Amino acid sequence: QVQLVESGGGVVQPGTSLRLSCAASGFTFSRFAMHWVRQAPGKGLEWVAVIWYDATNKYLADSVKGRFTISRDNSKNTLYLQTNSLRAEDTAVYYCARALFDSSGFDAFDLWGQGTLVTVSS
Amino acid sequence: EIVLTQSPGTLSLSPGERATLSCRASQSVDSIYLAWYQQRPGQAPRLLIYAASNRAPGIPDRFSGGDSGTDFTLTITRLEPEDFAVYYCQQYGSSPWTFGQGTKVEVK
Repeated sequence: QVQLVESGGGVVQPGTSLRLSCAASGFTFSRFAMHWVRQAPGKGLEWVAVIWYDATNKYLADSVKGRFTISRDNSKNTLYLQTNSLRAEDTAVYYCARALFDSSGFDAFDLWGQGTLVTVSS
Repeated sequence: EIVLTQSPGTLSLSPGERATLSCRASQSVDSIYLAWYQQRPGQAPRLLIYAASNRAPGIPDRFSGGDSGTDFTLTITRLEPEDFAVYYCQQYGSSPWTFGQGTKVEVK
């Protein structure tokens, strides 16, 4: 079954860290670029980060640059998002998503996980 | 950063009617880098259209996409009950990848 399953979300205090994971199954994970997208409660979609299939290229949104890190372990079919120095405005459902065709990130997102909720609150 | 502006914000229609959604880019977007997604309440987004006019696998042919320069459209020819949702356009040709703010298609 082709799917992405996120985990690692939770309720944390401002200034703390979380590592989100996205486990892929049913397809050759190592061939695809992967993205993280977030959605604050009641709001629209915000792209967060992308990593190329071989991790040679990574891009981050300005809103998370210097605080978040994207990585992947192709041997474990898993994508990660390390989130540090969390702020209230980082509260959102975090989705991982797969690039449609391309090993680079310049492609539509054809497969999405169900999301994991991160709540940053004191 | 390429800003995508969707209109209208909300579209109130009845089942069976035609829906036309617009997405305007703040600068030129090659049509091969424009997608449309549907998001139903409580669900993850679903890819409908990529490269402006190509339907993703499994997407019914009542969904179609078009473009004219910096303006893109998503058309749903006859609304089915399951089509009432929020729709987002996205450009994926340059960093940062950006989404429009969404158009909600609601039951009139």
